[in-house]
Amino acid sequence: EAQVTQNPRYLITVTGKKLTVTCSQNMNHEYMSWYRQDPGLGLRQIYYSMNVEVTDKGDVPEGYKVSRKEKRNFPLILESPSPNQTSLYFCASRDSYDTGELFFGEGSRLTVL
Amino acid sequence: QKEVEQDPGPLSVPEGAIVSLNCTYSNSAFQYFMWYRQYSRKGPELLMYTYSSGNKEDGRFTAQVDKSSKYISLFIRDSQPSDSATYLCAMNRKTSYDKVIFGPGTSLSVIP
Repeated sequence: EAQVTQNPRYLITVTGKKLTVTCSQNMNHEYMSWYRQDPGLGLRQIYYSMNVEVTDKGDVPEGYKVSRKEKRNFPLILESPSPNQTSLYFCASRDSYDTGELFFGEGSRLTVL
Repeated sequence: QKEVEQDPGPLSVPEGAIVSLNCTYSNSAFQYFMWYRQYSRKGPELLMYTYSSGNKEDGRFTAQVDKSSKYISLFIRDSQPSDSATYLCAMNRKTSYDKVIFGPGTSLSVIP
């Protein structure tokens, strides 16, 4: 089954404790992206990757890091989480770098205390 | 002004009603227009995908794009309780590597 898998689905952590949200896709997609979803603001792009070792900032990259060492994986790293990073996070992938359907994971709800 | 605006609702309709969901946008460079449906506690999934102006129909769903007015719509005919979800409009520019811009979403409830 074609899917994007995120882990963990739910996480409560404390300010400053480094965490990683993993994302893996099994569709051999070149393009992957991370979004955060907040009430009234919709989906905002954090980082994206057009291929292995190629990453770039989206609209709200502050406080986040990413890496793309393998085509299927695109982890999101919060080096020192803060309460304003409490949000619902989605990983997405698509076949083409410029058009086409985005396939989303089921989301990771993060709470930073 | 936000690039993409969408009435957040919530919108509540009786089963069988025709539903109209709308988005306006400010950037005339947008050429690809999409509607995603998001069920509670799930990721968005693509519902309709259109290029440039015009209508596209898929079963009970019709997507309409009016580029001259910078306005897109999604119509749902014979709405069902299973249509209860949040609907996100999205769009991007043909020449951009990505930059899919999402509206904030409209929450829809279809009451049996």
